[in-house]
Amino acid sequence: NAGVTQTPKFQVLKTGQSMTLQCAQDMNHEYMSWYRQDPGMGLRLIHYSVGAGITDQGEVPNGYNVSRSTTEDFPLRLLSAAPSQTSVYFCASRSYTEAFFGQGTRLTVV
Amino acid sequence: DAKTTQPPSMDCAEGRAANLPCNHSTISGNEYVYWYRQIHSQGPQYIIHGLKNNETNEMASLIITEDRKSSTLILPHATLRDTAVYYCIVVNAGGTSYGKLTFGQGTILTVHP
Repeated sequence: NAGVTQTPKFQVLKTGQSMTLQCAQDMNHEYMSWYRQDPGMGLRLIHYSVGAGITDQGEVPNGYNVSRSTTEDFPLRLLSAAPSQTSVYFCASRSYTEAFFGQGTRLTVV
Repeated sequence: DAKTTQPPSMDCAEGRAANLPCNHSTISGNEYVYWYRQIHSQGPQYIIHGLKNNETNEMASLIITEDRKSSTLILPHATLRDTAVYYCIVVNAGGTSYGKLTFGQGTILTVHP
């Protein structure tokens, strides 16, 4: 039972490039979400999904797209990377009682 | 969702109890108090949650005041591995807010030898 798996763990992008951060969970959770964490700050919600085919925006959605075609996967797409998107990204899936987080993707945009 | 207020940092001696306070004076009746911790930039880890009764599990105890406006997370015998940022979060149990976790700055707990 792997829990929540994020790939890659580290990534460097040039300004304007696009990429997809992968997130997969094997716990059959309906609710999944993406957060970003900037230095010295708490996590901020980017997008979330309450089930396959259903997504919605969180607190800081600009510059990011998501889709949810299966229960297991919830990829986060950066459309045109900007230095302001340099951050650590966490994916989470949630049972009724608690959220499980991945180990994070550390993204640097130069 | 209700906001929470936590002290920015606390110290604790190894082996002693760590008592982490949290104020949530605007909490509503269907909102739970959750605690997560984040160790050295890893993904946050669930600790415990409660509605109005005190709760205990293998990691910690949660004491919620009768008026539900504040709570205390208790780590009964802190170890060096408990050094982390602890987040107190109020979560709506249902509706469209279900599962949305609003993280504040948290409390940096440092456990000393």
